[in-house]
This record gives sequence, C-alpha cells and structure tokens, in this order.
Amino acid sequence: DTEVTQTPKHLVMGMTNKKSLKCEQHMGHRAMYWYKQKAKKPPELMFVYSYEKLSINESVPSRFSPECPNSSLLNLHLHALQPEDSALYLCASSQRGGTEAFFGQGTRLTVV
Amino acid sequence: DAKTTQPNSMESNEEEPVHLPCNHSTISGTDYIHWYRQLPSQGPEYVIHGLTSNVNNRMASLAIAEDRKSSTLILHRATLRDAAVYYCILRDYNNNDMRFGAGTRLTVKP
Repeated sequence: DTEVTQTPKHLVMGMTNKKSLKCEQHMGHRAMYWYKQKAKKPPELMFVYSYEKLSINESVPSRFSPECPNSSLLNLHLHALQPEDSALYLCASSQRGGTEAFFGQGTRLTVV
Repeated sequence: DAKTTQPNSMESNEEEPVHLPCNHSTISGTDYIHWYRQLPSQGPEYVIHGLTSNVNNRMASLAIAEDRKSSTLILHRATLRDAAVYYCILRDYNNNDMRFGAGTRLTVKP
C-alpha cells in the first residue's frame, strides 16, 4: 500500500465551526507533513511530524492545530478560520530525506 | 533548506524530449535532489531523485552536474499527460524538511 489517504476530499465550513482534516498512511513512514496550497502557487509547508513529535511549525496561526495520534495518522484541527484560509490542504509522508515522499490528493477547504 | 531556481514555464511538443533545468548553487553534501510533479487538481507525485550520479527510472532521467550545483530532469518523449508543474526540491538526508520552490509549468502541445 503506497497511498496517503486524506479525508474529506472537500469541506465547506463557517468561520465559527470546528472541523478536522485526516491523513493516513500505512507505509511505515516516520515523517508526516501538512501543506497549504493556494491556487497557482506551490505548496507551502505548515507542519512536520517526525516520530510522532512536532519537529517543524512554520509559525502557523493557532487556529490550525496539528495532531499525530500514532505513526499512521495525522490530523489537522481547524477552528475559527478566516475566508483567506480557503485552500487545498495536502498531507505527505516519507522516510528520511534520501527517499521519495508520497502525497495525498488533498482536502479542498472553503471557509464561508 | 537550500534554495532552487527553475524557469517559470516551458513548452514542448508531444513526443519530443523535454529538458527541465534546476539551479541549486548552495546545495550541501547531504542534500538529495528530488523532482516532483503536480498535475491539475491532484497532489504532487514523485518523479525521481538522486545524490551525485545520474539516475533513470520508468518516468524520467535525472542528470546531475559534476559540481552538483545544477540538475536537469529529462522526459524522453513528452505526452499530453506530462503537462504539469514540475518541482525541484533539495532534501537533506539528515532531516525531514521538504519545501517547494515556484516550480516550472510545462505545457505540452499536440
């Protein structure tokens, strides 16, 4: 199984809602990533977990809260988002830097 | 992470080879050179990676300069399905940092 599965594929949420994005991989990868991608722009790194510990946090606003409950699962909890947070949110996993990374198909988030 | 520089866009004709360049003048000895591509409405997908030697796989070839300050992704016969944004990324063997530059948007003309 060489897939990274992201759910849901699409999400529409109001600015007062709380929602979560989920990412799952069963390749035994110990690094997992969250990216945000706006239209016509490259993916922008948000968070990196290494061995289930947060290793990189790119000064992301606290309304985005990552969680890595186990080595296969990565969540992104969303609360009080703004319309400008509407984007494609991508999850990825890999072993070390010398190996290929695998990406999910993303969650298309719209904040209304 | 060291930075990469790629042309914003390139065009190719179908069934012709495509050479996508990437400059990475500040590359360190432990940086691997990775290439990913992103088709419209999809997540990025791995294409190829290498450290010092040229690499070939079923999708593409990677040519790495002797001083490692530049590399070229080679698609041997472009198809319409190869139209995508191609990203060259440096990944340090010792850490998990993985950041995208602006990439090259490849257009393939029939």
